Amino acid sequence: ETGVTQTPRHLVMGMTNKKSLKCEQHLGHNAMYWYKQSAKKPLELMFVYNFKEQTENNSVPSRFSPECPNSSHLFLHLHTLQPEDSALYLCASSQDGRGGVQATQYFGPGTRLLVL
Amino acid sequence: QQPVQSPQAVILREGEDAVINCSSSKALYSVHWYRQKHGEAPVFLMILLKGGEQKGHEKISASFNEKKQQSSLYLTASQLSYSGTYFCGTEEAQGGSEKLVFGKGTKLTVNP
Repeated sequence: ETGVTQTPRHLVMGMTNKKSLKCEQHLGHNAMYWYKQSAKKPLELMFVYNFKEQTENNSVPSRFSPECPNSSHLFLHLHTLQPEDSALYLCASSQDGRGGVQATQYFGPGTRLLVL
Repeated sequence: QQPVQSPQAVILREGEDAVINCSSSKALYSVHWYRQKHGEAPVFLMILLKGGEQKGHEKISASFNEKKQQSSLYLTASQLSYSGTYFCGTEEAQGGSEKLVFGKGTKLTVNP
């Protein structure tokens, strides 16, 4: 595997379900990101992890819970979601937080989530 | 602070040119350009770091003005494969944050 991978690619869940999204990067990067992409807000940053530490929580509801066990893996745990949470969830990684080329982000293919 | 992209959408015929702008009220450290095709992930195109810089990638090039507050993406002799949504991502300060702030995107449609 190369680049950034995400599983599953598609997910349908009910509002009472609990599910997790997984992201793995094979680029040796130290920063990882979760974005929500919908028609209304094209690229909405949710969380940032740098060297496994969460450095940004963009006022995301607590029904979304991120986990970063190491610099290569990032999870997004979902519970009691609402229909308006239906969107494409993108994971990205970058070298680190030093800026410039190191801040260039590489995206995974995304998980298309539908909440019924 | 979110950069402002313009136009929001543009429709071209194959072979025509287009310019997409990305503006900030503050001087930027860098501008990153991405293209996202329908149903796919955003793909990095290029980064600009220096005021007055111009950079090219095949028939897609970009510039960063001297004040480092505006970047433009130039698509010349457009091809069908250029269709997609173009995003600029900006950094306001070196090392100030590891995140990029993305514009709302410009949807480009190239028709035969």
